[in-house]
Amino acid sequence: DTAVSQTPKYLVTQMGNDKSIKCEQNLGHDTMYWYKQDSKKFLKIMFSYNNKELIINETVPNRFSPKSPDKAHLNLHINSLELGDSAVYFCASSPDRAKPEAFFGQGTRLTVV
Amino acid sequence: DAKTTQPTSMDCAEGRAANLPCNHSTISGNEYVYWYRQIHSQGPQYIIHGLKNNETNEMASLIITEDRKSSTLILPHATLRDTAVYYCIVRAWNTGNQFYFGTGTSLTVIP
Repeated sequence: DTAVSQTPKYLVTQMGNDKSIKCEQNLGHDTMYWYKQDSKKFLKIMFSYNNKELIINETVPNRFSPKSPDKAHLNLHINSLELGDSAVYFCASSPDRAKPEAFFGQGTRLTVV
Repeated sequence: DAKTTQPTSMDCAEGRAANLPCNHSTISGNEYVYWYRQIHSQGPQYIIHGLKNNETNEMASLIITEDRKSSTLILPHATLRDTAVYYCIVRAWNTGNQFYFGTGTSLTVIP
């Protein structure tokens, strides 16, 4: 009964392809996020999203887009993949603004070749 | 969000207390101090957070100085499984719930 789960755990794909990473949380949380951790282990926020608003980090290319079919899911779509997109992507969720601690998934290691 | 400064790495003997410092001299009045850790190949794990009072939970204690410009995370009895990168994050609770991670402290617990 994993709290925040991501699929796939590993993803290897060629440049130019379009891919998606799925994320689901069974905690009933209101807010979900996507983070990118690069080769230097630096974690960067990409998006935060609840049913009211999407907050986008302005440094994220528009090739990246979050899709939320419902409150428990926030999928990450990436178009026209580039070599520099290779990284580990983490999904996270948090209860609400009164309890803002976040719970993270195990990560998806994306390798673009 | 305020910036934080942490030592790059620390060692701690197994069974001893691990004290991880964090400086956040530009912290604002509405900003909390959060601690997360990331064990190799896993997602970050929430540890503890506080505003101005010291906090304790089943994982750790958080000591915040009176001027709130620095804090210390204490793992009372470090085990080998506590080897991880520890991140100190300062953020306001109402900023869209975004957490900005720095470089953290790599803690190695030595047998």
